[in-house]
Amino acid sequence: EADIYQTPRYLVIGTGKKITLECSQTMGHDKMYWYQQDPGMELHLIHYSYGVNSTEKGDLSSESTVSRIRTEHFPLTLESARPSHTSQYLCASSDPGLLTDTQYFGPGTRLTVL
Amino acid sequence: GENVEQHPSTLSVQEGDSAVIKCTYSDSASNYFPWYKQELGKRPQLIIDIRSNVGEKKDQRIAVTLNKTAKHFSLHITETQPEDSAVYFCAATDSWGKLQFGAGTQVVVTP
Repeated sequence: EADIYQTPRYLVIGTGKKITLECSQTMGHDKMYWYQQDPGMELHLIHYSYGVNSTEKGDLSSESTVSRIRTEHFPLTLESARPSHTSQYLCASSDPGLLTDTQYFGPGTRLTVL
Repeated sequence: GENVEQHPSTLSVQEGDSAVIKCTYSDSASNYFPWYKQELGKRPQLIIDIRSNVGEKKDQRIAVTLNKTAKHFSLHITETQPEDSAVYFCAATDSWGKLQFGAGTQVVVTP
């Protein structure tokens, strides 16, 4: 079944650790996005990609980095996690070939940095 | 850039009543307006969307209206049920095709 997958779903780590949040999609979409969201609060775009080797920073400044080496894979990396990075991270994808460019979301990774 | 404002931030309704959430946008070039529902601990799910060449769209108990002149659009939920309780987000495309989201509306349907 076509879907967006994120791993891990929950992560608790200590300050200073390097982490990578995984996102993969089997939707066949070219565009992918990373959002940061505190529970029930506004969605903030932190990174997006329009295709392989294309990455852009979003509206919310973030210390994370992303890469897009394969169409279906869009991992997000924090080199040195801090308590301020505690949040939920949502990955999304959309198909620019469609007129509406609807975004579909993954289940999210809930990150806690101690 | 695009700015989307959403009101109210919280909405409490009695089961069976209607709920209305309103959003305004700033970029007159915006042409796509989706609405997402996010239940507690779940991912945002698209519930209805509308394009700029349509003024109204309905899907069972949910409807969306768009006023391009005034640059506002609204979500209408009729005959609300407890399972309608969630956070609802409106969004509008910016000039780059990215979505700008509203701040969200917490809807609570009380029996």
